[in-house]
Amino acid sequence: EDQVTQSPEALRLQEGESSSLNCSYTVSGLRGLFWYRQDPGKGPEFLFTLYSAGEEKEKERLKATLTKKESFLHITAPKPEDSATYLCAVQGLDSNYQLIWGAGTKLIIKP
Amino acid sequence: EAGVAQSPRYKIIEKRQSVAFWCNPISGHATLYWYQQILGQGPKLLIQFQNNGVVDDSQLPKDRFSAERLKGVDSTLKIQPAKLEDSAVYLCASSKRENTEAFFGQGTRLTVV
Repeated sequence: EDQVTQSPEALRLQEGESSSLNCSYTVSGLRGLFWYRQDPGKGPEFLFTLYSAGEEKEKERLKATLTKKESFLHITAPKPEDSATYLCAVQGLDSNYQLIWGAGTKLIIKP
Repeated sequence: EAGVAQSPRYKIIEKRQSVAFWCNPISGHATLYWYQQILGQGPKLLIQFQNNGVVDDSQLPKDRFSAERLKGVDSTLKIQPAKLEDSAVYLCASSKRENTEAFFGQGTRLTVV
């Protein structure tokens, strides 16, 4: 059964303190892995898509990487406005294009 | 480019009442999704449309939930009758194709009392 696990559930950092969020997945064959950001009271906002192991993508202070079993979202020198819940989702080759979602990591950046 | 529009933003109903949500996807997007998100959890797919047709509705409680996509554009999701456990945020999303990134609306927060 396809599964996505995100860790930690919550992460508190000081402004400027870099860290990483983890997304571990089990899928028969990966079609794509998606990262989203969700602010309170809003729908998820698309960040990145990764398709194959070794692939990396960057956007401002965020960098996403992918291996055969997990993906990391690295946050460099975060600012308070980076505070949000970060969601990971995978799309398997056998899933009829359905996205399997993790529960998210709630990131809080303190000034 | 206009985003995904949803209405209403909030709805409070009593159990056993009915409710409907509306979604207008991004123009030209063939795939439309309805998700249910309970606080502290990731979104759960209820139904996925490709143009007019249903691709996946395996997790839709069909005894009480129904959805349609009119002319491959707008969509409505209905719950009848509502239960307390239906209290959640209902998210609509759309994508150009089935394997591309989805863009979400702001969601409808439903409270069943």
